[in-house]
Amino acid sequence: DVKVTQSSRYLVKRTGEKVFLECVQDMDHENMFWYRQDPGLGLRLIYFSYDVKMKEKGDIPEGYSVSREKKERFSLILESASTNQTSMYLCASSGRTAWNSPLHFGNGTRLTVT
Amino acid sequence: AQSVTQLGSHVSVSEGALVLLRCNYSSSVPPYLFWYVQYPNQGLQLLLKYTSAATLVKGINGFEAEFKKSETSFHLTKPSAHMSDAAEYFCAVSDRVGYSTLTFGKGTMLLVSP
Repeated sequence: DVKVTQSSRYLVKRTGEKVFLECVQDMDHENMFWYRQDPGLGLRLIYFSYDVKMKEKGDIPEGYSVSREKKERFSLILESASTNQTSMYLCASSGRTAWNSPLHFGNGTRLTVT
Repeated sequence: AQSVTQLGSHVSVSEGALVLLRCNYSSSVPPYLFWYVQYPNQGLQLLLKYTSAATLVKGINGFEAEFKKSETSFHLTKPSAHMSDAAEYFCAVSDRVGYSTLTFGKGTMLLVSP
């Protein structure tokens, strides 16, 4: 089975801190994604990467950046955390194409910014 | 841009009753469609997917969905609800074919009463 591991289940950070959320997948997937999940808003795509060192903005990239130095690892960075970034963050990975390789999700990191 | 609308943020059924969760999509090209389920404190997992092979798609745990192009719908059904089906369900449509980016609906919470 594909395993997508997010390094922290819960995080509490202060406003203005730099925050790193880490995600590792073990299936040699080309694509990796970061979503945030908020009640009533569903999942919204922050960034995705289709190859090492490549990144593409999703629907809500403002306030975030990402890093993909190795194929299996995709990091989400909050340069200066703000309270409106309190949310559940979900990492996912997939193979190259949507029709034969759906997303596999990690269990999420619940981030609270105080 | 593609989009998904899930009708009803909450659906309540009795155990043994029919489950019907509604999803309508908007797409300018033939879509790939997915249903994901999220159990409490977990990431999302794939229930089923439509990739144009057959309009009636069977998934895990007894769920199925029918693609109706004329209605732009992909409703999820299960003949008989079980308590363990209580979860949040997300419909998704593929975007940017080739990079597997999905656009998710806002989710429907299924509540099952004894």
